[in-house]
Amino acid sequence: ETGVTQTPRHLVMGMTNKKSLKCEQHLGHNAMYWYKQSAKKPLELMFVYNFKEQTENNSVPSRFSPECPNSSHLFLHLHTLQPEDSALYLCASSQRLAGILETQYFGPGTRLLVL
Amino acid sequence: AQKITQTQPGMFVQEKEAVTLDCTYDTSDQSYGLFWYKQPSSGEMIFLIYQGSYDEQNATEGRYSLNFQKARKSANLVISASQLGDSAMYFCAMRGAGSARQLTFGSGTQLTVLP
Repeated sequence: ETGVTQTPRHLVMGMTNKKSLKCEQHLGHNAMYWYKQSAKKPLELMFVYNFKEQTENNSVPSRFSPECPNSSHLFLHLHTLQPEDSALYLCASSQRLAGILETQYFGPGTRLLVL
Repeated sequence: AQKITQTQPGMFVQEKEAVTLDCTYDTSDQSYGLFWYKQPSSGEMIFLIYQGSYDEQNATEGRYSLNFQKARKSANLVISASQLGDSAMYFCAMRGAGSARQLTFGSGTQLTVLP
């Protein structure tokens, strides 16, 4: 595997389900991110992890729970979601301390549909 | 605060012709980085090119070039010799050197290359 991988690629869940999204980066980076992309909206940054520590939570509802067990893996645990949470969830990674040209590399995303 | 504006929701270009996608930005940071990403319908965000605010020469990467005009606060993407595979959503983004070190994305431009 190379780059950033995400599983599953597609997910349909009911509002009472619990599911998890997984992201893995093979780039040796030390920062990982979760973004939400809803139709006709700009990308929304959800969470940032630097060296496995969460450094940013952009007022994300508690029904989204991130987990970063190491610098290569990032999870997003989902429970009791709402239909408006249906979106494309993108994971990204970067090498912190690379300055203003620090580049984020993205995974293919998970398309989530909440019924 | 940082802001990215992409005023073209959709653009059409004939195959083999060049196209310019507009991006203007606003920031109070003295140093910043500007980025362009491509998002095909599959969903993955693909990094294309970047430019540092201190660079006097425009960045180029294959058929992509970034037309950076600092005084006008613009960072347009030029795609030369368009190909059908260039049809995608294109996002402009920036990162500042100050407290707002996360990427700020624009709303995107949907490019369609016509045969």
